[in-house]
Amino acid sequence: GENVEQHPSTLSVQEGDSAVIKCTYSDSASNYFPWYKQELGKRPQLIIDIRSNVGEKKDQRIAVTLNKTAKHFSLHITETQPEDSAVYFCAPGGSNYKLTFGKGTLLTVNP
Amino acid sequence: SAVISQKPSRDICQRGTSLTIQCQVDSQVTMMFWYRQQPGQSLTLIATANQGSEATYESGFVIDKFPISRPNLTFSTLTVSNLSPEDSSIYLCSVENYGGRKDTQYFGPGTRLTVL
Repeated sequence: GENVEQHPSTLSVQEGDSAVIKCTYSDSASNYFPWYKQELGKRPQLIIDIRSNVGEKKDQRIAVTLNKTAKHFSLHITETQPEDSAVYFCAPGGSNYKLTFGKGTLLTVNP
Repeated sequence: SAVISQKPSRDICQRGTSLTIQCQVDSQVTMMFWYRQQPGQSLTLIATANQGSEATYESGFVIDKFPISRPNLTFSTLTVSNLSPEDSSIYLCSVENYGGRKDTQYFGPGTRLTVL
């Protein structure tokens, strides 16, 4: 099965700084790479995703980069705001439609 | 994104009883999934529910403990049987291929189960 590692497990930044979370995976058949944001007591929300035929995707302050050769993808958040504080999960998926969730990164943005 | 509801939103149950959780989506979807999320932890896939066939369970989860129904393309239920305090958790359903977005999963709001 897929082994997923996510780093760091916690990240604290000052408002306005950038944050980067990295996810490594083991299954070379994985071809779908989403990031979810989960606020306390809420459901996981998809914030950005990328497929294996694309190296980078950007949506306003959020971007995802993929290195398929090295089997890792990263979430980049620029100009962080307090409302970005949450737990972020990577969840690579393969051809069987299943997602394997990383252990999560607790991001704290300090005003 | 998908409009997904779950019932109940939370429940407190006695040891040895069962709880059935319902998941409803506002549009037909091919695949529905059931996850468990223990406090402060990540999401663990319990099973995949396809309409018209038996659910497919992940390692460590069995049908006798977590029977699943998928009677149509917008609805699924998960039953957690013979409850023990270790079953206290949040149970989430998700749907795939909503609006044609292949591989993307959208989640329901979750059901918080406490077993006494």
